[in-house]
Amino acid sequence: DQQVKQNSPSLSVQEGRISILNCDYTNSMFDYFLWYKKYPAEGPTFLISISSIKDKNEDGRFTVFLNKSAKHLSLHIVPSQPGDSAVYFCAASDGVNYGGSQGNLIFGKGTKLSVKP
Amino acid sequence: GAGVSQSPRYKVAKRGQDVALRCDPISGHVSLFWYQQALGQGPEFLTYFQNEAQLDKSGLPSDRFFAERPEGSVSTLKIQRTQKEDSAVYLCASSLDGVNTEAFFGQGTRLTVV
Repeated sequence: DQQVKQNSPSLSVQEGRISILNCDYTNSMFDYFLWYKKYPAEGPTFLISISSIKDKNEDGRFTVFLNKSAKHLSLHIVPSQPGDSAVYFCAASDGVNYGGSQGNLIFGKGTKLSVKP
Repeated sequence: GAGVSQSPRYKVAKRGQDVALRCDPISGHVSLFWYQQALGQGPEFLTYFQNEAQLDKSGLPSDRFFAERPEGSVSTLKIQRTQKEDSAVYLCASSLDGVNTEAFFGQGTRLTVV
């Protein structure tokens, strides 16, 4: 039973337009959410995060929105660039802290973004 | 080092063979995680270390999987008597101590069991 769901396996967007990647979760104990970007044959690279006490976090072209009541978050990329083409993973912390350190991350299956020139 | 380093990058093992995968975390990172990523899936948690202590091994799929981090730095994931279903990319990640800190991933080891 997946606790973090990315229901769109792929997304295609024109360069310069907005890319919106969605993520839903089921566990209300999740208190920290992250987006990772992954190129082929590389490990995931951290992109942006948001704590459950916020509903928006922005970093340059990337903005993450969190709707706790709907258990939904989204990543907006504006404007999209061809170099953004990659697989994007949504991840959530399970809220378990080991003596103050973060617990493990639970990942969605990813959304493959293609930005066309 | 500058980032998380994993070796080997690729490993082909015959079914039944034992393998050992190495992870060098970022210097000073207290937390270390191992993940397994099957084709078309997201990474799935295997085990977690805080320094040398293995605090969570709930994700290890069977007793053939064993991980250690004896000096609180380098970690090794060992898989005994490999099976075809063990074929996956094994990712290591490390993070600083403290809550709500991002984990930095290595490039992974792609294990293929034939």
